[in-house]
Amino acid sequence: GDSVTQMEGPVTLSEEAFLTINCTYTATGYPSLFWYVQYPGEGLQLLLKATKADDKGSNKGFEATYRKETTSFHLEKGSVQVSDSAVYFCALSRTGGGADGLTFGKGTHLIIQP
Amino acid sequence: DTAVSQTPKYLVTQMGNDKSIKCEQNLGHDTMYWYKQDSKKFLKIMFSYNNKELIINETVPNRFSPKSPDKAHLNLHINSLELGDSAVYFCASSHLSGQGSYEQYFGPGTRLTVT
Repeated sequence: GDSVTQMEGPVTLSEEAFLTINCTYTATGYPSLFWYVQYPGEGLQLLLKATKADDKGSNKGFEATYRKETTSFHLEKGSVQVSDSAVYFCALSRTGGGADGLTFGKGTHLIIQP
Repeated sequence: DTAVSQTPKYLVTQMGNDKSIKCEQNLGHDTMYWYKQDSKKFLKIMFSYNNKELIINETVPNRFSPKSPDKAHLNLHINSLELGDSAVYFCASSHLSGQGSYEQYFGPGTRLTVT
């Protein structure tokens, strides 16, 4: 079955550091890939997405590129802020059906220290 | 202007009780979902509905019964609650974006605690 693997946390960085959160996936066909962010006590928010190979999703300074050859979708940000502290989830959905649920990774807790 | 709303936000109840969680979306989406997030933050799909029709029913005890009275609502009823049902339950809805992918929008979650 489909699966998503992402680095375990917590990941602790200093403000303005460079961020990478690794994500790899296993899926049949050509899934769409997503990063969601969950701030404390809140629901999940879509951060960015990519729907085909070599697509780059970007939002709020975060970027991720859909790499089919390495089945990866790593999240990066050049300079993190304290307000980026949250749990980040990598996810995929199979194409061809809007009712397909998302398959999530286990989440990476990011802590940014001033 | 809330997109996906859930009630209640917190639910504390005793084992053996029956409870319901309500979800409403005002985005005009055709598909709605229920997810369960366990204590380790792991999220797993439980159900999905498309135009009021059940599409996905993952391996979930039959004590859980979703009901969709219309496209904008998807409620979750749980019978005979057990300690292991304690979790955060998220409702979501989706639409087909201009780039050909389905984007899911999540509600704020309902934290269920069974004592």
